[in-house]
Amino acid sequence: NAGVTQTPKFRILKIGQSMTLQCAQDMNHNYMYWYRQDPGMGLKLIYYSVGAGITDKGEVPNGYNVSRSTTEDFPLRLELAAPSQTSVYFCASSPHQITGELFFGEGSRLTVL
Amino acid sequence: GQQLNQSPQSMFIQEGEDVSMNCTSSSIFNTWLWYKQDPGEGPVLLIALYKAGELTSNGRLTAQFGITRKDSFLNISASIPSDVGIYFCAGLRGGATNKLIFGTGTLLAVQP
Repeated sequence: NAGVTQTPKFRILKIGQSMTLQCAQDMNHNYMYWYRQDPGMGLKLIYYSVGAGITDKGEVPNGYNVSRSTTEDFPLRLELAAPSQTSVYFCASSPHQITGELFFGEGSRLTVL
Repeated sequence: GQQLNQSPQSMFIQEGEDVSMNCTSSSIFNTWLWYKQDPGEGPVLLIALYKAGELTSNGRLTAQFGITRKDSFLNISASIPSDVGIYFCAGLRGGATNKLIFGTGTLLAVQP
């Protein structure tokens, strides 16, 4: 019953460092998403993918990059971390684009100091 | 960008009370969904609504897709402590870039 697995769960970065948040799903879903959650702001879409080899920008892509080399994995890379990227990051997957049913991971809490 | 406005922002209620929350938008949506986020977890889908005027229940939860297609409502009857969490509405407008847009969330606290 793994579903969507995110690592790490917690991370502290210094300004200017880079890191990759890992996301893997075992449900063979084509659609995968990265959201960030800030207090009182809901969930904002960073990047999404409709299948292996295809990615596109969401609402707030600046400062992030993604890749989708396999159906299972959708890593999110932060280059030159900034305090504004302090947030909780959620990865999600979906079997369909039209139903809106997303399966979320448990989240990765990132602090940039 | 597009935003869904949820109200209230937070609610502090006693166990056993009924709860109502809503979500509004300036744009029309084809699908409305309600998610719940338990503390320290990712959101989980509660109810999905696909037709204007639709009323759907899931146990003690009932949600409605507004007739104007610009709003949705969620009611929780006879609240219990495990109802604590953040409730998010979300909408899909359809079309080529059919990405889910989330509301700002309603924080629910239930006192036993």
